[in-house]
Amino acid sequence: DTAVSQTPKYLVTQMGNDKSIKCEQNLGHDTMYWYKQDSKKFLKIMFSYNNKELIINETVPNRFSPKSPDKAHLNLHINSLELGDSAVYFCASSRRRDGELFFGEGSRLTVL
Amino acid sequence: RKEVEQDPGPFNVPEGATVAFNCTYSNSASQSFFWYRQDCRKEPKLLMSVYSSGNEDGRFTAQLNRASQYISLLIRDSKLSDSATYLCVVNSAGNKLTFGGGTRVLVKP
Repeated sequence: DTAVSQTPKYLVTQMGNDKSIKCEQNLGHDTMYWYKQDSKKFLKIMFSYNNKELIINETVPNRFSPKSPDKAHLNLHINSLELGDSAVYFCASSRRRDGELFFGEGSRLTVL
Repeated sequence: RKEVEQDPGPFNVPEGATVAFNCTYSNSASQSFFWYRQDCRKEPKLLMSVYSSGNEDGRFTAQLNRASQYISLLIRDSKLSDSATYLCVVNSAGNKLTFGGGTRVLVKP
């Protein structure tokens, strides 16, 4: 069983569209994250949820909206996609806020 | 100054040699430090945590220098399979884990 799974793995879409990426973890962790890795390979945190509560919200355009229906799921919805949104988006979870991160395989988003 | 900085490399290492590289951090109050490994087009995976007393796991040794605010990773007897990007991770303000830009290591026969 995959510990942190995210779908879809690949997403190719046009500018202006709206898309969602889903993430689920079966590790029983309380904290989940969304990270963005751009073409220069920098991994930057976008959001973090602890027990469904938003605890980290970095300087991210409000076109990005996370949703955590329960502590095992954290989804990312992106409105009005732009070329600069092209990146790999990684979901991760951890037992505690500064503990080991377990990553999903990533969702590679390409905006044309 | 960036919160977490690494030499991007690449470090070209002959197989069997030793390679070491550092990561500097800006927040003197940081308490948690980690090294992650990321293979090309894969997700990052924890390599080892870095404790105040250092940490050794097989051929890998991590050290923390609080006075100079850096952590280090040393790889002994490098294997071809050690080729990867090594990411330094530090907890910063707000208990947020911040990644460095990564150090690329290429082990060659």
